[in-house]
Amino acid sequence: GEDVEQSLFLSVREGDSSVINCTYTDSSSTYLYWYKQEPGAGLQLLTYIFSNMDMKQDQRLTVLLNKKDKHLSLRIADTQTGDSAIYFCAESIVGVDQFYFGTGTSLTVIP
Amino acid sequence: IAGITQAPTSQILAAGRRMTLRCTQDMRHNAMYWYRQDLGLGLRLIHYSNTAGTTGKGEVPDGYSVSRANTDDFPLTLASAVPSQTSVYFCASSDSISREVGNTGELFFGEGSRLTVL
Repeated sequence: GEDVEQSLFLSVREGDSSVINCTYTDSSSTYLYWYKQEPGAGLQLLTYIFSNMDMKQDQRLTVLLNKKDKHLSLRIADTQTGDSAIYFCAESIVGVDQFYFGTGTSLTVIP
Repeated sequence: IAGITQAPTSQILAAGRRMTLRCTQDMRHNAMYWYRQDLGLGLRLIHYSNTAGTTGKGEVPDGYSVSRANTDDFPLTLASAVPSQTSVYFCASSDSISREVGNTGELFFGEGSRLTVL
């Protein structure tokens, strides 16, 4: 299977920007996703990017993709305490009906 | 509210017992999945089903079995539970059989079933 790697923990102060990083195993064409898991709940899709894109912005969220380095990042601007959660990077390969998830990064926002 | 329902929410089970985790979706999605979540290991795929009547093995299938008799239900069975199967189990579904270009294939997750095997 594919290897998707993330650091386990990140702490930021409220109002600062958070950057969560992910590395993945490249494929010819891939969707890359960011899912958010709040305590005691399932995962919910935050945003996604296709591998022919470099950047995607959605309100406070910015996704950057460096295909050469196989590196994906999620930037959360003006981080709030409600952003405290586990963030999962995931990869899906076109034509293959499976998703490959990273270990998840636990984001703690300090008031 | 439409979505995925898992049951039970939480269960404590003696080793050696048989257990079935239930999963039902009302979105008419073709593909369904079972994952387990363990600290430091993220989500690992146990079994999946592309469509009713078919199933496939994921990354960690040993000790688990699934069936897909219809579109809506995808139960996960532990034939003889062991302590290493203590985990949080998530069922998920997707409306895509394959991740064709132009179709993002979002996964929809249930709330999870926390299983403790003693």
